[in-house]
Amino acid sequence: DAKTTQPNSMESNEEEPVHLPCNHSTISGTDYIHWYRQLPSQGPEYVIHGLTSNVNNRMASLAIAEDRKSSTLILHRATLRDAAVYYCILRDSRITGYQKVTFGIGTKLQVIP
Amino acid sequence: SQTIHQWPATLVQPVGSPLSLECTVEGTSNPNLYWYRQAAGRGLQLLFYSVGIGQISSEVPQNLSASRPQDRQFILSSKKLLLSDSGFYLCAWSGLDISSGNTIYFGEGSWLTVV
Repeated sequence: DAKTTQPNSMESNEEEPVHLPCNHSTISGTDYIHWYRQLPSQGPEYVIHGLTSNVNNRMASLAIAEDRKSSTLILHRATLRDAAVYYCILRDSRITGYQKVTFGIGTKLQVIP
Repeated sequence: SQTIHQWPATLVQPVGSPLSLECTVEGTSNPNLYWYRQAAGRGLQLLFYSVGIGQISSEVPQNLSASRPQDRQFILSSKKLLLSDSGFYLCAWSGLDISSGNTIYFGEGSWLTVV
């Protein structure tokens, strides 16, 4: 399974933009880039995903490098409720059954009031 | 819309006692189902996955077992709990919708403390 690497932790001031990076240098052409976040004592929740083009939704934006070897999750205005662990993973779009996916330790985002 | 529920949310069990965690998915059919465990401050470890009724695969050898008696029901069990079984257990599902990029959806989680 293709691996991703993320910084262990990041800090942001409240109401400022946050850019969470993810490297995935071994990504294949059919891998979608997914981001999830896990709030304290809760299960991870889906944030956003993309293949090649940048994506926006109500939660965040996803910027994907032209070579697809890295991506950045953008929170436009961090709030205290955005303090969570953010996971970047790859999902192969060709596989409809089980596919082994490794959730690493993610990036723990601390938002400072 | 699809929803996933797992229960109980928390439980404290003595060493050597049995365990049963249940998970159900609504609003979809033939989902892929998963059980993960998360130790404190650690990443998610995949324990079991299932692609259909009665089809269970284990990722790691352990004291736990899983069953899928119905299409949208996934059960995690143990006959005798160990202290090392303590952790945060998460049920998850993914569908066959390629346009969603094979998104995984997680339940609320179950905190297990073995004492």
